[in-house]
Amino acid sequence: EAGVVQSPRYKIIEKKQPVAFWCNPISGHNTLYWYLQNLGQGPELLIRYENEEAVDDSQLPKDRFSAERLKGVDSTLKIQPAELGDSAVYLCASSPPTGSSYNEQFFGPGTRLTVL
Amino acid sequence: DAKTTQPPSMDCAEGRAANLPCNHSTISGNEYVYWYRQIHSQGPQYIIHGLKNNETNEMASLIITEDRKSSTLILPHATLRDTAVYYCIVSPYNFNKFYFGSGTKLNVKP
Repeated sequence: EAGVVQSPRYKIIEKKQPVAFWCNPISGHNTLYWYLQNLGQGPELLIRYENEEAVDDSQLPKDRFSAERLKGVDSTLKIQPAELGDSAVYLCASSPPTGSSYNEQFFGPGTRLTVL
Repeated sequence: DAKTTQPPSMDCAEGRAANLPCNHSTISGNEYVYWYRQIHSQGPQYIIHGLKNNETNEMASLIITEDRKSSTLILPHATLRDTAVYYCIVSPYNFNKFYFGSGTKLNVKP
């Protein structure tokens, strides 16, 4: 079974440029998460989708960040314009439908963004 | 809003048991304890979870104190591949909103 796929793995851009990250969750997983991870810290949730609906985007800086999951499968996270402080790892995770057993979150390898 | 306290780092000799502590003195009755780990350059990986009973799976054991204010993750025979950051998280069951905190960096040494 393929895991969560993210691309690109690495991205270097100049400040004020736009950037986009793509995530393909595990097949059948209706919940998708985007996390931000700064160096030396744990992941912080940016947004959570249940199918195509963003059910928790309270931590997403909406002035420059946007996300979409149009068909309830893969998702794109965009930053426009990027700032120096956006340099971090962006992680995508997915989990199966809530049921009687624990719906473990499966993480992708992340995209490391460097803003110069 | 991290609700847990973990030591920033620990060392363990290869082949020995690694005991990783976590303090969660403000845990609520409906909150579970979850452990994830993150190996360098990878995303976090689920290890184990529990409510109040001790739990064991193929990766680790979880010991939760009777008052549920602290817990210990035990890797019975640590290997070099267990070197990672270990996160202790408390959250209602299937709440889907984790606060990871900074975790414990476990260094397994030959």
